[in-house]
Amino acid sequence: QSALTQPASVSGSPGQSITISCTGTSGDVGGYDYVSWFQQHPGKVPKLLIYAVSNRPSGVSHRFSGSKAGNTASLTISGLQAEDEADYYCISYTDTSARVFGTGTKLSVL
Amino acid sequence: QVQLVQSGAEVKKPGASVKVSCKASGYTFTDNTLHWVRQAPGQGLEWMGWLNTYNGNTKYSQSFQGRVTITTDPSAGAAYMELSMLVSEDTAVYFCARERAGSGLKNYFDPWGQGTLVTVS
Repeated sequence: QSALTQPASVSGSPGQSITISCTGTSGDVGGYDYVSWFQQHPGKVPKLLIYAVSNRPSGVSHRFSGSKAGNTASLTISGLQAEDEADYYCISYTDTSARVFGTGTKLSVL
Repeated sequence: QVQLVQSGAEVKKPGASVKVSCKASGYTFTDNTLHWVRQAPGQGLEWMGWLNTYNGNTKYSQSFQGRVTITTDPSAGAAYMELSMLVSEDTAVYFCARERAGSGLKNYFDPWGQGTLVTVS
């Protein structure tokens, strides 16, 4: 099972919106609505931002939203803030009931 | 509160095995699947496998097939991840994470353990 493909880095200015993509196959992202997104600050434990493609756990800011089209899922962060600077990972359920993470994206807030 | 507490850091020689524990509290241990994830220094997250804490069933990543064993001791509310035939590339922080139970909640990983650094040298 190959890792899902994410851009290595994205950047944006405070107040702007950015989108991070997560591309897989019909055997994972495209086949199931079980994509989650995590945020990880350096030296910290990953934090769940989005589950089931587009659902936010309680306590997660409405600035984070998720979507999916075909084999690609996306995480959009609106109204960028300095504290959003972190690494972001997607994960998908697969057709063998395993899981696969994305390659990870480093977000820089300029 | 719901919490996962992992065992402490380990230093192992190449070829050895390591066993990391993950002790749960604050919820019924057998209600949720536990996953193991690792992160090498400066690298991304890598899924290793899951454990059904109710019946002991497991699923492993093909990347670790034959080298990883995940077990459970329900009476202790604990899960264990053993990785054998260690090589330097296995140096990483190893995490356990609880997957919420229920329809539509696959990959709802919360909470995570604090992480256990395993150094192979």
